[in-house]
Amino acid sequence: ETGVTQTPRHLVMGMTNKKSLKCEQHLGHNAMYWYKQSAKKPLELMFVYNFKEQTENNSVPSRFSPECPNSSHLFLHLHTLQPEDSALYLCASSPGGDLNTDTQYFGPGTRLTVL
Amino acid sequence: GQNIDQPTEMTATEGAIVQINCTYQTSGFNGLFWYQQHAGEAPTFLSYNVLDGLEEKGRFSSFLSRSKGYSYLLLKELQMKDSASYLCAVLDSNYQLIWGAGTKLIIKP
Repeated sequence: ETGVTQTPRHLVMGMTNKKSLKCEQHLGHNAMYWYKQSAKKPLELMFVYNFKEQTENNSVPSRFSPECPNSSHLFLHLHTLQPEDSALYLCASSPGGDLNTDTQYFGPGTRLTVL
Repeated sequence: GQNIDQPTEMTATEGAIVQINCTYQTSGFNGLFWYQQHAGEAPTFLSYNVLDGLEEKGRFSSFLSRSKGYSYLLLKELQMKDSASYLCAVLDSNYQLIWGAGTKLIIKP
């Protein structure tokens, strides 16, 4: 039973749509992460929040917009995406505070297809 | 640049032993993680090495040589459920996690 849940598990959207991905962690952690995982490529870190403050934004296009209303919830708002944005989007959490050697716990991911 | 290399795919037989290698070139080193990811599921933490040597956890062991920029994950007494991708990731000098592309392990009966 994972302590990190993500919804929806699968999403198909057109390039003009607006949708949101949701992540919730039940582990009492204070740091949350969004990753993009494309086939046969390394995980790409997109955003990091530590105690609800964004600490990393790895040159992610503005069509991806994160929101972290509290330490347990993380959203990724999507609009005017491109077909190359199709990928598995993974959320992770870690104890936080000191991110240096935290072990990250992942959710099952949202499989996104952009038509 | 920073780079993590691991084989794309490996095949092994049920009951056997397999070693998955990971070599890295990063700006600094603050530890190396191994994660397991079954198809369509979340990556799950397997091990963390920061000092040289072998760490054993049941059927799984992880080895690190910092001087060689090298690690391996050793899986013993392979079971069909071990079929998964195994991800190697290194914490660099800025405590950023640098990920490999993963090794897909196929277990045959």
